[in-house]
Amino acid sequence: DAGVIQSPRHEVTEMGQEVTLRCKPISGHDYLFWYRQTMMRGLELLIYFNNNVPIDDSGMPEDRFSAKMPNASFSTLKIQPSEPRDSAVYFCASSPRRVVWDRAYGYTFGSGTRLTVV
Amino acid sequence: EDKVVQSPLSLVVHEGDTVTLNCSYEVTNFRSLLWYKQEKKAPTFLFMLTSSGIEKKSGRLSSILDKKELFSILNITATQTGDSAVYLCASGSARQLTFGSGTQLTVLP
Repeated sequence: DAGVIQSPRHEVTEMGQEVTLRCKPISGHDYLFWYRQTMMRGLELLIYFNNNVPIDDSGMPEDRFSAKMPNASFSTLKIQPSEPRDSAVYFCASSPRRVVWDRAYGYTFGSGTRLTVV
Repeated sequence: EDKVVQSPLSLVVHEGDTVTLNCSYEVTNFRSLLWYKQEKKAPTFLFMLTSSGIEKKSGRLSSILDKKELFSILNITATQTGDSAVYLCASGSARQLTFGSGTQLTVLP
């Protein structure tokens, strides 16, 4: 399995522009998570999906952020309009429904998208 | 608000040294405590702890949880330069993990 695949790896954009981050979870995983990592705040959960349905979006910072999961193999995180304070590394992670002992709920992180908003 | 605090924030040691990383937590829905290693890219899983006093080991790494004191430690013995990374602690339930800010470990040759 190729693991969790995120694109792009790096994104540099100007303030005010729309940014779309993409994630392909591991096949068969029922849960998908979007995290944001910054030096100041560490890793923060933004939103997670179960079977393509958003379950908890309480971590989404503002209405400028939105996430979708149109099918089991694809999710997007969109920021519109982007601001410099959105600069961070955005991670996607997926997990199978069944907890596997000693496998941390099967959490597998993607390699992340480093977003820079100038 | 759920909180996970790690210490020290950074640590520099020489190869062969033993290090202890600390993690304290306050979460409303505790199911487990997890340790991750993050090098330049994504965090990779090290340990999951759910019971107090039971040490988990993997090679030179080991970890233990104290649910009474809401505390966990990660030990690395005979450190190697390849151990240099950020070590993240996370706690909560399966679907709501709170991460600490991490300990940056640097192992010098």
